[in-house]
Amino acid sequence: QVQLQESGPGLVKPSETLSLTCTVSGGSISSYYWSWIRQPPGKGLEWIGYIYYSGSTNYNPSLKSRVTISVDTSKNQFSLKLSSVTAADTAVYYCARLSGGIVVVTAGWFDPWGQGTLVTVSS
Amino acid sequence: QSVLTQPPSASGTPGQRVTISCSGSSSNIGSNYVYWYQQLPGTAPKLLIYRNNQRPSGVPDRFSGSKSGTSASLAISGLRSEDEADYYCAAWDDSPSGVFGGGTKLTVL
Repeated sequence: QVQLQESGPGLVKPSETLSLTCTVSGGSISSYYWSWIRQPPGKGLEWIGYIYYSGSTNYNPSLKSRVTISVDTSKNQFSLKLSSVTAADTAVYYCARLSGGIVVVTAGWFDPWGQGTLVTVSS
Repeated sequence: QSVLTQPPSASGTPGQRVTISCSGSSSNIGSNYVYWYQQLPGTAPKLLIYRNNQRPSGVPDRFSGSKSGTSASLAISGLRSEDEADYYCAAWDDSPSGVFGGGTKLTVL
């Protein structure tokens, strides 16, 4: 059974870069798309972007200028970098596998999810 | 402001049937599948319905999904106390970008 685990600093200063890693266990990162999704405290979900194991990416247009998602197949990990953060980027960040969408992304769904990690942007 | 529109709250008594609506546009729900996620307090979202009306293994048949045009609905029959959670609809738009509803907080009275 595939499991995902987010890791990274829980506190980031304004204007700096947020960096998180998602480690995939119980299965290979190959042959799937992998996503980052975030949820500000008390608010709804926002899709950040996805990466294919081969390295191709697609980002939320509202975050595209600040987001980079990368993959390391040798470590079975993928990562998120979000630059120039502000307090508005404070959120629980989830990683998730995009299942069922290998051929057509729009036919895919997020499952499973990691447990999430809270990142606070504050000086 | 979420791309998909859901009512912020819904409620029902045990045993009742409740429905949660999700409204989108021709570029997302109107041309792609709808997905539903359940988020219990303090936990990560969990897939509830995929491809409009399909239930993953382990999800009770009390949960059902439907889609018509640019709108979708989640129905929960035989409401139970453990169904109290936040429910999110989701879809892809034509970019493709993932889009979510703002979430509906379901209270079991």
